[in-house]
Amino acid sequence: DAGVIQSPRHEVTEMGQEVTLRCKPISGHDYLFWYRQTMMRGLELLIYFNNNVPIDDSGMPEDRFSAKMPNASFSTLKIQPSEPRDSAVYFCASSPKRGAKAFFGQGTRLTVV
Amino acid sequence: QKEVEQNSGPLSVPEGAIASLNCTYSDRGSQSFFWYRQYSGKSPELIMFIYSNGDKEDGRFTAQLNKASQYVSLLIRDSQPSDSATYLCAVAAGNKLTFGGGTRVLVKP
Repeated sequence: DAGVIQSPRHEVTEMGQEVTLRCKPISGHDYLFWYRQTMMRGLELLIYFNNNVPIDDSGMPEDRFSAKMPNASFSTLKIQPSEPRDSAVYFCASSPKRGAKAFFGQGTRLTVV
Repeated sequence: QKEVEQNSGPLSVPEGAIASLNCTYSDRGSQSFFWYRQYSGKSPELIMFIYSNGDKEDGRFTAQLNKASQYVSLLIRDSQPSDSATYLCAVAAGNKLTFGGGTRVLVKP
């Protein structure tokens, strides 16, 4: 298996633009997590899905952030409109079952200017 | 109080010595505990996990869990310069995985 795949690896966009980050979890994994990592706040859980259903989105910072998982092999995290303070590395991770170890993608480094 | 707390470091360790990392958590319902290593500019990678009280050893790594004290630790024996990284403690309560802020470890030759 290729592991968790994220795209793009790097994204630079202007403030106010819409940004969409993509994630393909490991096949057979029932859980998918979106994290954001910054120097100041460390690794923060934004939202996670179980069997494509959003379970906990309490970490989503604002209504500008939204996430979807239309099927077991694909998820998106969208920011609209983007702001400079959204600049961070966004990680997607998946795990096979409840409480199990999570495998991370390579991350998307987002820069909003 | 943060849900998962770690000393940010840096923890400076001479090559060949033991590095000892600590982590405390607030949710008594937590069931699974993980240690991830993250090199600068890279994604976190799992190095250890532990579910039961006591010690678990894997190569040069030993994880220790004390649920009564809500405390989990990681020992790295015979530290190598390649162990220099940030070590993240992660705690699973139900389906949710929460990370600590990480401890930066520097192994000096």
